[in-house]
Amino acid sequence: DAKTTQPNSMESNEEEPVHLPCNHSTISGTDYIHWYRQLPSQGPEYVIHGLTSNVNNRMASLAIAEDRKSSTLILHRATLRDAAVYYCILRDKPPSTPLVFGKGTRLSVIA
Amino acid sequence: AAGVIQSPRHLIKEKRETATLKCYPIPRHDTVYWYQQGPGQDPQFLISFYEKMQSDKGSIPDRFSAQQFSDYHSELNMSSLELGDSALYFCASRAGWETQYFGPGTRLLVL
Repeated sequence: DAKTTQPNSMESNEEEPVHLPCNHSTISGTDYIHWYRQLPSQGPEYVIHGLTSNVNNRMASLAIAEDRKSSTLILHRATLRDAAVYYCILRDKPPSTPLVFGKGTRLSVIA
Repeated sequence: AAGVIQSPRHLIKEKRETATLKCYPIPRHDTVYWYQQGPGQDPQFLISFYEKMQSDKGSIPDRFSAQQFSDYHSELNMSSLELGDSALYFCASRAGWETQYFGPGTRLLVL
């Protein structure tokens, strides 16, 4: 799987939007961009994924650069419950294959 | 909605003892994954099963073994425990083209 680069940590104020960046300059044409998050003392949790077009779901939005070398996870209104480690993972294989977690971004949300 | 169940949630063992961790996937999920997360580390894939057959193998020590039973639950057997085995052990399950759903984890402490 191609490598991703994320900032070690970010901080946000509550109820403000948060933009979590991920660089993946070696992404291949068949790589899907997945985001998972891990809340304190919990198992990882799926957030969103996409291939080329921007994606929205009830949890977040995923903005993918036109050249696909970077993407941004957008939390529209951060809450204290969004404080977690966010992982950007590229997957070019079927969903049956295991996840390879790299170094994610620890998001802190300030009340 | 039903989630992945793991038992026990906490386990304390002495060095050289054995431990068995259990995972009950979401109903109708046919694939189970095991991940290990050491203190301050990111989750690392150990092993997975699809329809009761081993499907992928990661960095699982030879002292560990696992299997998936006819009811799709899985057990991770760990022998000759070492201090370095102290970690959170997550189980995840999946069906078809869905994403992986993680359980709450078992926290193992080896003394």
